[in-house]
Amino acid sequence: DVKVTQSSRYLVKRTGEKVFLECVQDMDHENMFWYRQDPGLGLRLIYFSYDVKMKEKGDIPEGYSVSREKKERFSLILESASTNQTSMYLCASSVTGTGRSYEQYFGPGTRLTVT
Amino acid sequence: QKEVEQNSGPLSVPEGAIASLNCTYSDRGSQSFFWYRQYSGKSPELIMFIYSNGDKEDGRFTAQLNKASQYVSLLIRDSQPSDSATYLCAVKGGSYIPTFGRGTSLIVHP
Repeated sequence: DVKVTQSSRYLVKRTGEKVFLECVQDMDHENMFWYRQDPGLGLRLIYFSYDVKMKEKGDIPEGYSVSREKKERFSLILESASTNQTSMYLCASSVTGTGRSYEQYFGPGTRLTVT
Repeated sequence: QKEVEQNSGPLSVPEGAIASLNCTYSDRGSQSFFWYRQYSGKSPELIMFIYSNGDKEDGRFTAQLNKASQYVSLLIRDSQPSDSATYLCAVKGGSYIPTFGRGTSLIVHP
């Protein structure tokens, strides 16, 4: 059964702290993604990775960085957390394939609160 | 800019009725179309995907695709209160990255 796990369901951090969010998938997927989801704004892509050590910026990369040292693990780093980064963070993975299909599988999400 | 548009709702239907959720997209090169269901506080889960024009049925769910008109819809027959959720439409072309709509909130009332 497909599985994407995230290190925490809920996290509370202080402004200025460095925050690590971890995501692990057990499906041998090439692609991994980090999104944030806010009411009324939908899913917004922060970063994605299509291979180990490869990363690409999404729509809102400012204030974030990522690391992918192993195929199964994709980390999102908030270098200096700010209150406007309070959000639900969702990790997803997918297979690389030509053409059709290949849906994303999502982790359970991390609700981050920055105070 | 690729866009996927959904009515935010809420769409309210009585139990047992058919719920119809619609999605339009801007990129004519789109190849794959997905419907995700997201319960409040949970992550999205895939319920249907379609890539050929026409209808695709799976249990109480039917996805409909019309590439000429650039819309995709999801019909839920015999709606149940447990179907109350936000439904996200996602559209993908040749890249790894789907474009998501903002979702339609569905409320099924007893």
